[in-house]
Amino acid sequence: EIVLTQSPGTLSLSPGERATLSCRASQSVSSSYLAWYQQKPGQAPRLLIYGASSRATGIPDRFSGSGSGTDFTLTISRLEPEDFAVYYCQHSETFGQGTKLEIK
Amino acid sequence: QLQLQESGPGLVKPSETLSLTCTVSGGSSSSNTYYWGWIRQPPGKGLEWIGTIYYSGSTYYNPSLKSRVTISVDTSKNQFSLKLRSVTAADTAVYYCARVYPSYSSGWPFDYWGQGTLVTVSS
Repeated sequence: EIVLTQSPGTLSLSPGERATLSCRASQSVSSSYLAWYQQKPGQAPRLLIYGASSRATGIPDRFSGSGSGTDFTLTISRLEPEDFAVYYCQHSETFGQGTKLEIK
Repeated sequence: QLQLQESGPGLVKPSETLSLTCTVSGGSSSSNTYYWGWIRQPPGKGLEWIGTIYYSGSTYYNPSLKSRVTISVDTSKNQFSLKLRSVTAADTAVYYCARVYPSYSSGWPFDYWGQGTLVTVSS
């Protein structure tokens, strides 16, 4: 069973700053199946990235994904106020535990 | 615009069966030719994949839930359903239905989600 570990657990940043979120797999995985989601309180998750680096429809280009093997990264180049939320990575049937991005 | 809507009881007694239906509307071809899934989220916790079904009826289940889960599809009604047997308080969660991103037959990235429905297991 693959385990996805996200870090940090909480990230405190200010609008305009760059955010880097990590997702590490317990063994090498296919990047084709690595996805990232954003979830705001009381809302369903929103697909941001699939295939490790492809942005889903309507996702702003300040969101980017990268990585391969066991290490994957979600980068938000310049934080907007609406970006503060919880972010999850997913590989197939496994989700990471989430990273909370909060306003500093 | 594709829309998914979960429906079913919000309260289930321990040891009974949780039953939810997801109705798909909008989009160019509703439930045909896609994969569909159920995901749950206990209050204040992370996401857990429950299972995925193809429109043809092929199913894939989370091994930890496989003995208690059945997912089925009714393409004539643009619906797919979840049954979770022998529930306990640990099954209390928001249950989401979702569509797998087109062209994926595994990996399950979900691009359209329902709003979610809270199911509480309590006597």
